Amino acid sequence: TQLLEQSPQFLSIQEGENLTVYCNSSSVFSSLQWYRQEPGEGPVLLVTVVTGGEVKKLKRLTFQFGDARKDSSLHITAAQPGDTGLYLCAGAEDPGNQFYFGTGTSLTVIP
Amino acid sequence: NAGVTQTPKFQVLKTGQSMTLQCAQDMNHEYMSWYRQDPGMGLRLIHYSVGAGITDQGEVPNGYNVSRSTTEDFPLRLLSAAPSQTSVYFCASSYIDPGVSYGYTFGSGTRLTVV
Repeated sequence: TQLLEQSPQFLSIQEGENLTVYCNSSSVFSSLQWYRQEPGEGPVLLVTVVTGGEVKKLKRLTFQFGDARKDSSLHITAAQPGDTGLYLCAGAEDPGNQFYFGTGTSLTVIP
Repeated sequence: NAGVTQTPKFQVLKTGQSMTLQCAQDMNHEYMSWYRQDPGMGLRLIHYSVGAGITDQGEVPNGYNVSRSTTEDFPLRLLSAAPSQTSVYFCASSYIDPGVSYGYTFGSGTRLTVV
């Protein structure tokens, strides 16, 4: 079982601010995914990254996979209240293999 | 709507009672799994299945049983509930393809309280 640590655990910011959350491990992953979970619902996939150094953008969200494929970051530009939720990273050592989830970052964006 | 359906949404059990959490998907996904979510601990894998008739243990399997008789259904059984099993349970499914990392589709969860 890989240990995926996310930081910070909690984050509360004002609308319009920028933020970055991190996902770190000592394991090397073939792929890493980010999910967002809203209260009372299951996680929803945001993105999958598979190449070291890869950067993907989803509107105001920018995802980066570390060069060594051990870590990832999620940057949100000009946060909005609709970004509020729990952000989870998940990594798999081998393609098509089991994904293990991080501890999560709970984000609150205050209007 | 296509997706993963979990029932019930809420359940209160007394210590020692048994129950089955239901999970069904209509996307013809080979892979199905059960997670529990506790504060500060993310999602922890309980059991998973890569096809009908095939199941395996995850990180925290003790106290839980599963079976997969059809592609669509993957029930989770608690044989003798304990307060430590109070949690939110999620079922997830995905396609399987060696070399391709598909995302998981999650159900909306079952909130279980054991008193």
